[in-house]
Amino acid sequence: GAGVSQSPRYKVAKRGQDVALRCDPISGHVSLFWYQQALGQGPEFLTYFQNEAQLDKSGLPSDRFFAERPEGSVSTLKIQRTQQEDSAVYLCASSSRGGRTGELFFGEGSRLTVL
Amino acid sequence: AQRVTQPEKLLSVFKGAPVELKCNYSYSGSPELFWYVQYSRQRLQLLLRHISRESIKGFTADLNKGETSFHLKKPFAQEEDSAMYYCALRGYSTLTFGKGTMLLVSP
Repeated sequence: GAGVSQSPRYKVAKRGQDVALRCDPISGHVSLFWYQQALGQGPEFLTYFQNEAQLDKSGLPSDRFFAERPEGSVSTLKIQRTQQEDSAVYLCASSSRGGRTGELFFGEGSRLTVL
Repeated sequence: AQRVTQPEKLLSVFKGAPVELKCNYSYSGSPELFWYVQYSRQRLQLLLRHISRESIKGFTADLNKGETSFHLKKPFAQEEDSAMYYCALRGYSTLTFGKGTMLLVSP
């Protein structure tokens, strides 16, 4: 596709369930970012990949959050034992440039609701 | 630490009125500043960046290092400008966003 694709677009989970959110970046884009956007807030950085290497995971809020990009393309954000405070829109963005310097292209987001 | 402040949650104006969306930042070095926009039911997208010194859709923003501000301006608002606007800073870390300002332009 032409843009960043995320799935599922909507996910409802019961507290304690594990969830997996997928991001398919623009083909050939080197850098991939995950952001969390709570209601009424701006996007907050979670983690950054350059190709398959996770270069920065300083924004992951707890060890329940895990992200991977094993082949340097598709990425998955996994949240274990979900809590209500995990309810948010999870945004993925990709960039054609390495490092953090390029323009970010965002997906539509995955809205997670934890009951 | 790097921080972005957008003091207004909502800005409501009439069509044809001037618009100024405020953004202040905190950063000790030389930052890159951006404005991102999210129209209804669309994804977040880049509007403009201070390095380019460009005008996009009639919007401009000037980086004022003395006042640590990067306000977004447009002389005559249009209804299609209604959207959520986020100011963002890239310093030594990745992009840091403000909380956003909703701009509503009424006919």
